[in-house]
Amino acid sequence: GESVGLHLPTLSVQEGDNSIINCAYSNSASDYFIWYKQESGKGPQFIIDIRSNMDKRQGQRVTVLLNKTVKHLSLQIAATQPGDSAVYFCAEKPAGWGKFQFGAGTQVVVTP
Amino acid sequence: GAGVSQSPSNKVTEKGKDVELRCDPISGHTALYWYRQSLGQGLEFLIYFQGNSAPDKSGLPSDRFSAERTGGSVSTLTIQRTQQEDSAVYLCASSGTGGARELFFGEGSRLTVL
Repeated sequence: GESVGLHLPTLSVQEGDNSIINCAYSNSASDYFIWYKQESGKGPQFIIDIRSNMDKRQGQRVTVLLNKTVKHLSLQIAATQPGDSAVYFCAEKPAGWGKFQFGAGTQVVVTP
Repeated sequence: GAGVSQSPSNKVTEKGKDVELRCDPISGHTALYWYRQSLGQGLEFLIYFQGNSAPDKSGLPSDRFSAERTGGSVSTLTIQRTQQEDSAVYLCASSGTGGARELFFGEGSRLTVL
């Protein structure tokens, strides 16, 4: 079936460097692609989303890129901080009512 | 409270027992979702509610799992005759409308089946 998945299960980043988290998706009919951050013992928290008719969207210290040609989604975190250590999930959903389909997650570890 | 509340936060039960997990969404949120997360794994969709109805319950693993939502608010996920493979964290989330991209998650109910 169709699914959302990630290339790298663990990403180790030095504090201050930029992080890039990747995600592959297969459902080209999805309208929105979303990134969530999950800290240990907590529920996931929304970071940023992008609509399928866009290829780039920027937030505070984060940028999401969407490449529909190769069905690839990425999250870039600028100047990674210790507080960015978490598991990051990509998700996709249709416009309007529908389920959020989550990928497997990437553990980001920020080292001093 | 201001956020999504789930109870119990931890539940240890014996194989074969029934359990009920409760979710109190953010007031006024019409959409409510249940996900399951096994240790170190991703989020597995179970069911979502639009008001009190469930348009998509395709993720419920078996007929031992059921969920309901009443008054457009509180939801209960019931697992009958629990099995060890049911051990996981059960996460509830709500959003204001079906079109919203931001889900507000609770902290989850950790279920351990002995």
